[in-house]
Amino acid sequence: AQSVTQLDSHVSVSEGTPVLLRCNYSSSYSPSLFWYVQHPNKGLQLLLKYTSAATLVKGINGFEAEFKKSETSFHLTKPSAHMSDAAEYFCVVIWGFNKFYFGSGTKLNVKP
Amino acid sequence: DSGVTQTPKHLITATGQRVTLRCSPRSGDLSVYWYQQSLDQGLQFLIQYYNGEERAKGNILERFSAQQFPDLHSELNLSSLELGDSALYFCASSVAAVTGAVTGELFFGEGSRLTVL
Repeated sequence: AQSVTQLDSHVSVSEGTPVLLRCNYSSSYSPSLFWYVQHPNKGLQLLLKYTSAATLVKGINGFEAEFKKSETSFHLTKPSAHMSDAAEYFCVVIWGFNKFYFGSGTKLNVKP
Repeated sequence: DSGVTQTPKHLITATGQRVTLRCSPRSGDLSVYWYQQSLDQGLQFLIQYYNGEERAKGNILERFSAQQFPDLHSELNLSSLELGDSALYFCASSVAAVTGAVTGELFFGEGSRLTVL
């Protein structure tokens, strides 16, 4: 069965330090992959997407993610966290016809 | 602004009641999705419509139903409400191919927060 796993439910970093949010998927072929961000009481917003072009994908607000097929991973990174990055992040994959699979989410806390 | 509009933003009602949530997708998007987000269940896919037809069904209860109208707006009907139905309900839209297959990302509305007392 297809699945997507976000390895950390909560991540806490200090402002100005790097961010790493981990996502692994299981699939027999390469899916389309996305990261979404949800700020409190807001809808989800697309951060970036991978659709089989470059394996390193750059998104908005300085985020990027690297697709590693051998590790079936799509981790989200940012070199320097900002207070405004505090939010919940979702890794999402599309398989097959219309199937969007959401990870369980990672809540990012940024300490001053 | 994603271009997806949901109304109402907040709704408070009592157990046993029925409510209707409305969604207007982005201009040109034929595919509409409904999701439920609660603290204990996370983000759950409910149902998808493409150009008026149901295309995929997720964890939608029998007490819930949805439809997509010819102008492409969609409504989610929740009936015989229970305390556990309290959640944030999101609508999302997406560009889709003629077959209804998703070709890109989802665009989310800001949600309708339902509180059942």
